[in-house]
Amino acid sequence: KNEVEQSPQNLTAQEGEFITINCSYSVGISALHWLQQHPGGGIVSLFMLSSGKKKHGRLIATINIQEKHSSLHITASHPRDSAVYICAVRYSYYGGSQGNLIFGKGTKLSVKP
Amino acid sequence: EAGVAQSPRYKIIEKRQSVAFWCNPISGHATLYWYQQILGQGPKLLIQFQNNGVVDDSQLPKDRFSAERLKGVDSTLKIQPAKLEDSAVYLCASSSLRPGQGTDTQYFGPGTRLTVL
Repeated sequence: KNEVEQSPQNLTAQEGEFITINCSYSVGISALHWLQQHPGGGIVSLFMLSSGKKKHGRLIATINIQEKHSSLHITASHPRDSAVYICAVRYSYYGGSQGNLIFGKGTKLSVKP
Repeated sequence: EAGVAQSPRYKIIEKRQSVAFWCNPISGHATLYWYQQILGQGPKLLIQFQNNGVVDDSQLPKDRFSAERLKGVDSTLKIQPAKLEDSAVYLCASSSLRPGQGTDTQYFGPGTRLTVL
């Protein structure tokens, strides 16, 4: 069974703290996505990774293909970072379908001022 | 560039009633997805269209759910009849992914929150 596991499920931080959210998956993938979902349902794509590391502003995403693990880091966290962060992977093979994403359950982040 | 549009944003119905959701993807995006997101869970793919053809509907409960994308642009998702467990947010996403491409960024709409009483 293909699964995407995220940890922690819930995370509360103080403004300014360095935050790490983890994602692990079970088989080979062609890409991994980090998504941000704000209350009300809107989802925004943050990163798409197939190897290495990407940085955008205060957000950093890394992936270790051998360990089947990715992390999303937020530096100098701010209350506006409060959201659900979702990891999603596209497996190298998934029933022969092209483009399917398998989603984790998300990590709910709350940053207190 | 306009994003993915969905309507309605919220819908409340009683069980056994019917409901339809509409999605307008980003202009030029060939691939359209419908996802179901139950509270506390990640989105689950219901159906994927490539232009007006179905690529994957393996997780679509076909006894009650149907979807179409007749002209390869807008899409509708229908539930008939609705059950209590259909209460969820229904997300539409689009991408420019085309046959032969490995992967592409998906752009999500705001979702339709369905409550079945």
